[in-house]
Amino acid sequence: QSALTQPASVSGSPGQSITISCTGTSSDVGFYDYVSWYQHHPGKAPQLLIYGVTNRPSGVSDRFSGSKSGNTASLTISGLQAEDETDYYCSSYTSSSRVVFGGGTKLTVL
Amino acid sequence: EVQLVESGGGLVKPGGSLRLSCAASGFTVSSAWMSWVRQAPGKGLEWVGRIKPKTEGATTDYAAPVKGRFTISRDDSKNALFLQMDSLKTEDTAVYSCATEGYSYGYHSFHDWGQGTMVTVSS
Repeated sequence: QSALTQPASVSGSPGQSITISCTGTSSDVGFYDYVSWYQHHPGKAPQLLIYGVTNRPSGVSDRFSGSKSGNTASLTISGLQAEDETDYYCSSYTSSSRVVFGGGTKLTVL
Repeated sequence: EVQLVESGGGLVKPGGSLRLSCAASGFTVSSAWMSWVRQAPGKGLEWVGRIKPKTEGATTDYAAPVKGRFTISRDDSKNALFLQMDSLKTEDTAVYSCATEGYSYGYHSFHDWGQGTMVTVSS
């Protein structure tokens, strides 16, 4: 099972919106609506941002939103803030009952 | 409040073994899907494997790179999760974290994580 494909880096200015893509296959992202997104500050535990493609856990800002089309899922962060600068990962449950993560995207707030 | 605390990491030679522990509180590990996730230095997150709840047969699933070398188990009396790692390779060097899978929000999402324990495989 290969890792899901994410851009290595994205950037945006404060207040802007950015989108991070997560491309898989018909055996993972395209098979189920079991895509999640995580924010990960190095040295800390990852924080769940989105589950089930579009759902936000309690306490997560509504500036974070998720979507999916075919084999590609996306995370959009609106109203970019300096504190959003860190690493982001997607994950998907697969048709072989495993979980696969994306390679990670480093977000830079200019 | 769910808490997960890993221990047991360290330095081991290639071909050696190591057993990691994950102590849980705030919930019962026997009732949850529990996974191990690792992050090699400078790399991304990688799912290692899981153990299902007792009610689902306590079966295990593993990622291809570790299948046949790693074994996940649970001790319900200690409310703890374990990762037995044998035939270790240098590419197994990583921070290993335990996490609940789908416990809080379903959809095979990882909401509760430990801080991780570092495993270094080197001669």
